[in-house]
Amino acid sequence: DAGVIQSPRHEVTEMGQEVTLRCKPISGHNSLFWYRQTMMRGLELLIYFNNNVPIDDSGMPEDRFSAKMPNASFSTLKIQPSEPRDSAVYFCASSWGTSGGRNIQYFGAGTRLSVL
Amino acid sequence: GDSVTQMEGPVTLSEEAFLTINCTYTATGYPSLFWYVQYPGEGLQLLLKATKADDKGSNKGFEATYRKETTSFHLEKGSVQVSDSAVYFCALTRDSNYQLIWGAGTKLIIKP
Repeated sequence: DAGVIQSPRHEVTEMGQEVTLRCKPISGHNSLFWYRQTMMRGLELLIYFNNNVPIDDSGMPEDRFSAKMPNASFSTLKIQPSEPRDSAVYFCASSWGTSGGRNIQYFGAGTRLSVL
Repeated sequence: GDSVTQMEGPVTLSEEAFLTINCTYTATGYPSLFWYVQYPGEGLQLLLKATKADDKGSNKGFEATYRKETTSFHLEKGSVQVSDSAVYFCALTRDSNYQLIWGAGTKLIIKP
């Protein structure tokens, strides 16, 4: 299996522009997570999907952020409009179980976003 | 609420030195415990896990034992290599919850 695939790997954009990050989870996994990683705040869970349904979006920082999962093999995280403080590495992770020791999350390589 | 505390980094060691990275947790019941590793420019990947008290997780020469009495899950390796340089994250999850509670991460630097 190719693992979790994220695109693009790097994104540089200007403040106010729309940014769309993409994720293809591992086939057969039923849970998908979007994280943001920064030096100041560490690893933050943004949103969790189970069977393509958003279960917990309490980590989404504000209305500028939205996420979708139209099917089991694709998810997007959109920021509109983007701001410099959104600069971070965004990770997508997937898992086939979310209970205790079965909650092994497989991470993509991440998208490094820079908003100028 | 649940939390994970790791020793601050960076931890700098010479090759072949003994490694310990401390991790303690706060949680009710019996959480499952994990160590993940993040190599430069990559995503996190599971290194090892333990699901009940006194369990020992091991992988690639790394070990960690689930100590309920001290609420700890310290990561150890007997002889580190330059290739072990990475950021190590301790995490926990409860059976009733999908969330992984993450430590802040400890950067490990191994010098030849």
